[in-house]
Amino acid sequence: RKEVEQDPGPFNVPEGATVAFNCTYSNSASQSFFWYRQDCRKEPKLLMSVYSSGNEDGRFTAQLNRASQYISLLIRDSKLSDSATYLCVTSGYSTLTFGKGTMLLVSP
Amino acid sequence: DAGVTQSPTHLIKTRGQQVTLRCSPISGHKSVSWYQQVLGQGPQFIFQYYEKEERGRGNFPDRFSARQFPNYSSELNVNALLLGDSALYLCASSLSGQGVGEQYFGPGTRLTVT
Repeated sequence: RKEVEQDPGPFNVPEGATVAFNCTYSNSASQSFFWYRQDCRKEPKLLMSVYSSGNEDGRFTAQLNRASQYISLLIRDSKLSDSATYLCVTSGYSTLTFGKGTMLLVSP
Repeated sequence: DAGVTQSPTHLIKTRGQQVTLRCSPISGHKSVSWYQQVLGQGPQFIFQYYEKEERGRGNFPDRFSARQFPNYSSELNVNALLLGDSALYLCASSLSGQGVGEQYFGPGTRLTVT
């Protein structure tokens, strides 16, 4: 079983739509959780950290369920510029563990 | 402020050769991590260095080695290259080496092995 599992997509949505991504992780000792965004042939960039209490950054909302080992990302009012691959990430003592990523394509 | 820098940006090598990739972290960051990303996969952890000491090692063969210098820059070496080593090699820096927090990635070195 992979440590971090995500639906690879692609998710095709129109501008203005709301889209949700989920991921599950297997290592219950994971300490921190993140969503990274990666544009085609570019480096990953931190989108947001994820907390059990849930956190929001503009149109983006992330949620962590430690009991179910489940992480989610909700994007509201999708923009064309949101098209990218979204990587679910857990961290331990010294490393980040990435999922394969979920591709989002936002169309006009 | 400059972000994480990596060199070279692209590299083509043949099987059996050796390669050295370089990384300079964000100023003030003391930890450098290396990741390998093959097409269609997420980045996979190779090494983490903090204050010139190896703090973590991923599931990679001994052909992969790294080091960190007193100025916190780092090199990743790969010996006896295989076709399967073709990938984007990413360097990430962070403030500390304990309990990984936010990591900031460089643009990567794209290695092609023929």
